[in-house]
Amino acid sequence: DAKTTQPPSMDCAEGRAANLPCNHSTISGNEYVYWYRQIHSQGPQYIIHGLKNNETNEMASLIITEDRKSSTLILPHATLRDTAVYYCIVRPTWTDTGNQFYFGTGTSLTVIP
Amino acid sequence: SAVISQKPSRDICQRGTSLTIQCQVDSQVTMMFWYRQQPGQSLTLIATANQGSEATYESGFVIDKFPISRPNLTFSTLTVSNMSPEDSSIYLCSAREGLAGNNEQFFGPGTRLTVL
Repeated sequence: DAKTTQPPSMDCAEGRAANLPCNHSTISGNEYVYWYRQIHSQGPQYIIHGLKNNETNEMASLIITEDRKSSTLILPHATLRDTAVYYCIVRPTWTDTGNQFYFGTGTSLTVIP
Repeated sequence: SAVISQKPSRDICQRGTSLTIQCQVDSQVTMMFWYRQQPGQSLTLIATANQGSEATYESGFVIDKFPISRPNLTFSTLTVSNMSPEDSSIYLCSAREGLAGNNEQFFGPGTRLTVL
């Protein structure tokens, strides 16, 4: 079952930073935070993941609070192509039973011209 | 990274029939999964496709309705049996190498199924 809570929708002006929050207050010490997005009619696409430290790649930055109970995905300069549903997922660092992804409801981000 | 393809990309089927969806990964992977995405909804995990053994189904999904095969490390099929309009959804194949939590999981483009 999903262990995350996200706002159902957000708007962001084109060229501005998009900050997408995620609450994972029941996260345990051995669970990663993953972010995926799904552009309409496509399969989900990996964005970034982290365990304790903040992470940055060519797509986004991930800020994880010190207590790890929440995180924020930052798209530094949103474009119209970033309009999508963004999913925050927690996953164990290791299990012997498949380590499946369970999706929550996600945040529908609309980038406005 | 792994590239996943699915066949068919979409289909329209009659009530009571069955459809088999194929999933091909361009590299050998340890784990393969099948998801369902109903209209306007998030993804729901149907099952884990196990190579050489029976699939592991999530609560609410049964083998008689969604039989799954995984004959090797790059291929899997999902059959939607005795279809009804409620089965109209996008079905997505997913794959990952290994059980470690920091391995990226890849998704196919999905198969859009409409049942009349």
